[in-house]
Amino acid sequence: GQNIDQPTEMTATEGAIVQINCTYQTSGFNGLFWYQQHAGEAPTFLSYNVLDGLEEKGRFSSFLSRSKGYSYLLLKELQMKDSASYLCAVRANNAGNMLTFGGGTRLMVKP
Amino acid sequence: DADVTQTPRNRITKTGKRIMLECSQTKGHDRMYWYRQDPGLGLRLIYYSFDVKDINKGEISDGYSVSRQAQAKFSLSLESAIPNQTALYFCATSGTGASYEQYFGPGTRLTVT
Repeated sequence: GQNIDQPTEMTATEGAIVQINCTYQTSGFNGLFWYQQHAGEAPTFLSYNVLDGLEEKGRFSSFLSRSKGYSYLLLKELQMKDSASYLCAVRANNAGNMLTFGGGTRLMVKP
Repeated sequence: DADVTQTPRNRITKTGKRIMLECSQTKGHDRMYWYRQDPGLGLRLIYYSFDVKDINKGEISDGYSVSRQAQAKFSLSLESAIPNQTALYFCATSGTGASYEQYFGPGTRLTVT
């Protein structure tokens, strides 16, 4: 099976930087995804990492270390609209390449 | 228009009733999925389909069934609804590219009383 851990809640200030961590245990690792989900809405894709290193996309960056089973999502220049849940999901080729999601991290951005 | 649509968006039903949730997509994707979301538990996979003739059980398929009527349509049925099936249900689709990210529908909020 797979085990994915991420903090339940985080709070940060508008304009600041926040890092949301995700650790996982899996065999047959085949990619890690980050999704953003506003309350009551559908998850939307943010980033994908399959090789070690940092992927940058505007204000959002995602990092992966496969040897450590670790990823983080970095949000810069926080805006109030970034208040949402952030879902870490791992794909494993021994699970039919299906995604297994963590419980999500609820981020609250305060003025 | 949205690429992935779900009907109904909200539904309240009674224990023991049969209910069907429908999903349609215009993305031309072969792969479709049904998830449920419960507070603190993240998204859990119920069923998935890689094409019209391919249906697979996910992590939590007991109490559910699905039908892939066409490439664009994938429906989820609860044959006899029970209260612990109260949840937010999402349909998703994906292609077969390098990352094949999943695209989610707007969700159906189901309450079983």
